[in-house]
Amino acid sequence: GAGVSQSPSNKVTEKGKDVELRCDPISGHTALYWYRQRLGQGLEFLIYFQGNSAPDKSGLPSDRFSAERTGESVSTLTIQRTQQEDSAVYLCASSLTRGSETQYFGPGTRLLVL
Amino acid sequence: QKEVEQNSGPLSVPEGAIASLNCTYSDRGSQSFFWYRQYSGKSPELIMFIYSNGDKEDGRFTAQLNKASQYVSLLIRDSQPSDSATYLCAVMDSSASKIIFGSGTRLSIRP
Repeated sequence: GAGVSQSPSNKVTEKGKDVELRCDPISGHTALYWYRQRLGQGLEFLIYFQGNSAPDKSGLPSDRFSAERTGESVSTLTIQRTQQEDSAVYLCASSLTRGSETQYFGPGTRLLVL
Repeated sequence: QKEVEQNSGPLSVPEGAIASLNCTYSDRGSQSFFWYRQYSGKSPELIMFIYSNGDKEDGRFTAQLNKASQYVSLLIRDSQPSDSATYLCAVMDSSASKIIFGSGTRLSIRP
């Protein structure tokens, strides 16, 4: 079946604008993660969804960042009033369940804030 | 102290030799440990996962876990130029709710 997909693949925006990034997890995967990866850096955890449980938002860097997920399907990550330091690759991953299951990553969205 | 620490490298290893990548973690209750490979401009892909103390082998790759020392390593035997990449160590926290990644070690295999 299809892997994790993300859109758009690239996004260039002006400082101060809002952006919305989309993630389609693998069908049947209940767990979904968002990460941020700045150039040459490791992965920074942002938020985690597990089924219908309350999401773990502990990694969101500011209140400009928010994410939603409808059931066990699509998730959107929204960044309001973008800043230049938001420029990064935003990666989404899904896994079958929480716990020890391995994650499958999407191709990422490359965001550039001018 | 970072939750998951790795030497950033670059680590340069001659082709055919053994590459040894190391990782330490701070959460003593962590149960699951992962190694991901990330080629430049690409997404991470899982190479190995390990849950129990000791060694786990898969082809040319061996993961080693020592929970007492909070240390996990990845050995790559018979290194190939195609192994040149950044290797990310990841640890699932003790609440089993999220995976914390290290900043990665850049490995370069020289012909």
